[in-house]
Formats: sequence, C-alpha cells, structure tokens
Amino acid sequence: GAGVSQSPSNKVTEKGKDVELRCDPISGHTALYWYRQRLGQGLEFLIYFQGNSAPDKSGLPSDRFSAERTGESVSTLTIQRTQQEDSAVYLCASSLGPLGGTDTQYFGPGTRLTVL
Amino acid sequence: SQKIEQNSEALNIQEGKTATLTCNYTNYSPAYLQWYRQDPGRGPVFLLLIRENEKEKRKERLKVTFDTTLKQSLFHITASQPADSATYLCALERTDSWGKLQFGAGTQVVVTP
Repeated sequence: GAGVSQSPSNKVTEKGKDVELRCDPISGHTALYWYRQRLGQGLEFLIYFQGNSAPDKSGLPSDRFSAERTGESVSTLTIQRTQQEDSAVYLCASSLGPLGGTDTQYFGPGTRLTVL
Repeated sequence: SQKIEQNSEALNIQEGKTATLTCNYTNYSPAYLQWYRQDPGRGPVFLLLIRENEKEKRKERLKVTFDTTLKQSLFHITASQPADSATYLCALERTDSWGKLQFGAGTQVVVTP
C-alpha cells in the first residue's frame, strides 16, 4: 500500500497484560515516529527512529514502554503490564527524514487501545 | 514550560464563510509550524507548513499566517464547505529537535450547509 499501516486497529486488553502494536511505514521513509492521543487531547510524542541512529526515546512515559524498528521498515511499540491510563489511540507516522528537508509526517490510522 | 494552545470550543460556521482558527504558543521558538487535519477515527493529514521567516502561506482555499512576535499562527479556510468539517491541529518543530513535533489539542470545525 501507499500509506502508513498499523495493526491491530483495535485492541482490548486486561490490566497487567503486555501488548504489541505494529507499524508499517511508507517505503523509503527513513524516519518513523510513535505518538499517543488520549481522548480529546493533542498528540503526545513518544519515540522517534531515524535510519540506523539510536532512537530518541525522550517521550516514553515510563519504562513499561519500549519500541523497536527493524532497519528502515516495520516498528513495534510494546507496552508491558498495561494500566488503565494507557488507554488511548497510538499513532505511527513516517517521513523522508532529514534529507527530505522539513519534516512532513504521514500518519497511519492508529491503534485504539483499551485497557480494562 | 512550553505550551501550545488552540481554541477548545468547536467552531460552527455556515457554508461559504471563512473559518479562522488560532494557534498560540509560549516558551517556544519554533522553526516550523504545521497544520494538520484529523477526521474521526483517522490519523492526522498534513495540510500546510510555514517557516519562521515566512509571514503567509496559501494552498487552494487554505491560508496560514505566522507571527513570531505575537507567537501566533492563524489558519483560514475560505469558502468553507461541509467537507471541511474536521479537527484541525497545529504542530511546532524546533531546529534543534528535528522530528519532534509538538501538537496542540486541535479545534473542531463544523460547516453547516
């Protein structure tokens, strides 16, 4: 496909369980981002991958959150021991990266996570 | 602390009129300011980008202004249509934090026929 895809689109889990969210960026995009959007709020930056550089993890809210990226392709966001406050839509975006000039980000449809 | 404010109240407007949205920021010196559109259940879609040394940018029926003295951007939709109904987000980026966009909470626009 031409756009950023994310899976699953919806995830319901019980408190304390681990979840994995997947993102497939646009082919050729070297930069990949994860954001969290709570209901009625703006997007909250979580983590940023650029090529083979060490990721910028400064937005991760706790050590229960981690993310990996395989080369310049798929990324997985993992939340361990989920809490109810983790309920949100998790959005992934990709962009051409610094060589593309300004950072126009292309977003996926998001994964809606509900922690019961 | 850095803060980005957008009007939280929905903007209800009649078709054909101009919708004007504001984005104010404090404790921030952005190099770029972007506007995105978000429809329910979807990710944001990029609309326009304006640089700190630009005063105004246009794209079809959209116009963005950027006043770094007032620390404000205005986003205009002219000749609004019901299809323009969505939430509009502003996002700021600093040159020393490339890639880390900071988003406002967005303003919902409702265009009625």
